Amino acid sequence: DAGVIQSPRHEVTEMGQEVTLRCKPISGHNSLFWYRQTMMRGLELLIYFNNNVPIDDSGMPEDRFSAKMPNASFSTLKIQPSEPRDSAVYFCASSLGEGEVETQYFGPGTRLLVL
Amino acid sequence: GQNIDQPTEMTATEGAIVQINCTYQTSGFNGLFWYQQHAGEAPTFLSYNVLDGLEEKGRFSSFLSRSKGYSYLLLKELQMKDSASYLCAVRDSNYQLIWGAGTKLIIKP
Repeated sequence: DAGVIQSPRHEVTEMGQEVTLRCKPISGHNSLFWYRQTMMRGLELLIYFNNNVPIDDSGMPEDRFSAKMPNASFSTLKIQPSEPRDSAVYFCASSLGEGEVETQYFGPGTRLLVL
Repeated sequence: GQNIDQPTEMTATEGAIVQINCTYQTSGFNGLFWYQQHAGEAPTFLSYNVLDGLEEKGRFSSFLSRSKGYSYLLLKELQMKDSASYLCAVRDSNYQLIWGAGTKLIIKP
């Protein structure tokens, strides 16, 4: 298996622009997680889906952030409009199920820089 | 509130043994994970503990005491490639992972 796939790997944009991050989970995994990691705040869970349904989006910083999972093999995280403080590494992770003994497998991350 | 505490940074010598501690206060407990993260890379799974005791996996071992809210990751025969951050994460009663800030481990020759 190719593992969790994220694109783009790097993104540099200007404040105010829309940013879309993409994730393809491991085939057969039912849960998908979006994380943000910075030096100051560490790893933060933004939102997670189970069977394509958003379960908990309490970590989404504000209305500028939105996430969708239209099918079992694709998810997007959108920031509109982007701000410099959104600069971070955004990880997508997937796991086999919810409420079970399972491991989250992380994608390589998208390094976002907002100027 | 929920809290995971780990030392920020540790230094050890190649070939030696190092123990990275993690204490937690969470709403319920459904398992504790250790992840390794090399600089510029994604976290990767190391170990999982849900019952008290020691889980051994090669050079790495993880210990859990639920009554004390405490875990440690033990790394033996340290190698330079073990230089990384080690993240402790606890699954709470809602099966959500609560992450620690990570411990940066520096290995010196």
